Amino acid sequence: QVQLVESGGGVVQPGGSLRLSCAASGFTFSSYGMHWVRQAPGKGLEWVAFIRYDGSNKYYADSVKGRFTISRDNSKNTLYLQMNSLRAEDTAVYYCAKRDPRPNDYWGQGTLVTVSS
Amino acid sequence: QSALTQPASVSGSPGQSITISCTGTSSDVGGYNYVSWYQQHPGKAPKLMIYDVSNRPSGVSNRFSGSKSGNTASLTISGLQAEDEADYYCSSYTSSSTLEVFGGGTKLTVL
Repeated sequence: QVQLVESGGGVVQPGGSLRLSCAASGFTFSSYGMHWVRQAPGKGLEWVAFIRYDGSNKYYADSVKGRFTISRDNSKNTLYLQMNSLRAEDTAVYYCAKRDPRPNDYWGQGTLVTVSS
Repeated sequence: QSALTQPASVSGSPGQSITISCTGTSSDVGGYNYVSWYQQHPGKAPKLMIYDVSNRPSGVSNRFSGSKSGNTASLTISGLQAEDEADYYCSSYTSSSTLEVFGGGTKLTVL
């Protein structure tokens, strides 16, 4: 069965950096694109980033472009999100998700990132 | 990229039908048949309810249906049940430099 387990969340000061990881299992990780989606406390879902199966193309929300970098290590079945220059508005639960091919849609349990001084 | 527009809340009584709208532009909802709907209960990860405008994943009740007209997509839930009370989000592929955009979410209350 597909499992996605996020880690790396925590409390960080404004301007700081954090790297999130998402360990994948139960499917051929190297064959599928992967997403990061976030949800601020009490707020809605916000799509953050997508990376193609081989890492050849990456897409970002305007709100994180230039600050966040999505990457993957197919040899380790792991997805990453490097977050730099963090702001208070980046505080959220970050989900990794495998959403292709539709309708095979799987999300992790999320990891909380809190940006606060 | 602006979020898609959804009503903040809708409500209905058990057995009734409700419809949630999701309005975008010709660059997202209106331009592609890649609209999805998610259900989210408190503290849980989102669950895919509708994909590609009107398709239902296996295991999702046929009380849930989706449609689209122009730049507006809609999710209809018929025969409302207490367990349908949740937040609902639409999402769409977008031709902008980003890839996808979500709606702001709609809180469904079953009275």
